[in-house]
Amino acid sequence: AQTVTQSQPEMSVQEAETVTLSCTYDTSESDYYLFWYKQPPSRQMILVIRQEAYKQQNATENRFSVNFQKAAKSFSLKISDSQLGDAAMYFCAYRISQGGSEKLVFGKGMKLTVNP
Amino acid sequence: EAQVTQNPRYLITVTGKKLTVTCSQNMNHEYMSWYRQDPGLGLRQIYYSMNVEVTDKGDVPEGYKVSRKEKRNFPLILESPSPNQTSLYFCASSFSGQASQYFGPGTRLLVL
Repeated sequence: AQTVTQSQPEMSVQEAETVTLSCTYDTSESDYYLFWYKQPPSRQMILVIRQEAYKQQNATENRFSVNFQKAAKSFSLKISDSQLGDAAMYFCAYRISQGGSEKLVFGKGMKLTVNP
Repeated sequence: EAQVTQNPRYLITVTGKKLTVTCSQNMNHEYMSWYRQDPGLGLRQIYYSMNVEVTDKGDVPEGYKVSRKEKRNFPLILESPSPNQTSLYFCASSFSGQASQYFGPGTRLLVL
């Protein structure tokens, strides 16, 4: 079964500091995509960053970067220079294609608090 | 503006009263999907559609129906809602082929 595990349900970070959110996943597929989504109090799901599994280079989007370890099936998100607006729920997810269908599997989420 | 819209945004209903939550996207996406979000469980896929007239079950399809008669629309139908379907529902769409999904704003449903 395909699963995504976010082992830390909550984390906190001081404003301007760096925080790393962990995520592990389990799949037998070799070709897939990984995502981090942010859900602020508005409940809107916002794509933060994505990583193609076939790419060795870690994705980066401004203050957000990932550490993708394919062999270990690990996909952590690093937020640098944390801002108050980063406070949200964060969901790790991966997307696979199987037999002509596509599926997006989410972790249970992690609540990030940013302290001023 | 490229977007996914859902209606209604909030709905309170009673057990057994049929309801439909609409979803529409203006990006010509082939792939559309419905998720429900419950505390401590993350988002779970209900149904998805690869294209017009092509739909398939996700992880939690029981009690739900969908249809895809037009490319832009993907309504979620609850024929006989029950209290355990109280949840936050999201519609999402994307181009096929492992592209990033765009999410709608969510529909909060309360079934009494």
